[in-house]
Amino acid sequence: RKEVEQDPGPFNVPEGATVAFNCTYSNSASQSFFWYRQDCRKEPKLLMSVYSSGNEDGRFTAQLNRASQYISLLIRDSKLSDSATYLCVVDKGTGNQFYFGTGTSLTVIP
Amino acid sequence: EPEVTQTPSHQVTQMGQEVILRCVPISNHLYFYWYRQILGQKVEFLVSFYNNEISEKSEIFDDQFSVERPDGSNFTLKIRSTKLEDSAMYFCASTGEVNQPQHFGDGTRLSIL
Repeated sequence: RKEVEQDPGPFNVPEGATVAFNCTYSNSASQSFFWYRQDCRKEPKLLMSVYSSGNEDGRFTAQLNRASQYISLLIRDSKLSDSATYLCVVDKGTGNQFYFGTGTSLTVIP
Repeated sequence: EPEVTQTPSHQVTQMGQEVILRCVPISNHLYFYWYRQILGQKVEFLVSFYNNEISEKSEIFDDQFSVERPDGSNFTLKIRSTKLEDSAMYFCASTGEVNQPQHFGDGTRLSIL
């Protein structure tokens, strides 16, 4: 089983839509969870950390389910500028090695 | 906002040559990382570095690779004898505390001919 698995998409959604991405991880010892976004040929940029209680940042909501070992990201009221690849990142359990998912591609259509 | 900076932005090297990729992490950060991303593929962890030594390394980080913090600001990745399959984007990242989000540089595109 891969360390981190994501649906690669692509997701093509109209502006204003709500879209959700899921990510599963294999290591029950993982402690740190993040969502990054990556624009084409650019570096990953932190979108948000994911906390056990769930957390929200504006239009973005992240959830963690430790029992089922999955993480989700919900984007409400999609904007054209949300078009990017969304990367799920999970640590190995030691805090010093991180696994990236293959990313989920999102295109927001006018 | 402080940034991680990487140089060069693009490096073209003949197969078998040595290459050094340079990074300047954010100044008060203590944990440093190298990743690579082959075109069209996922970001892959190479190595983490703390307190002047390697903390962890992946199976990709074989004897051809080495890292160094030669002074108080630079963090370098050396590939001793490059192969065609080393062609990729290499990202440096840093963080102030373990388990905290990492800040990435904008990468060095390495092309091996």
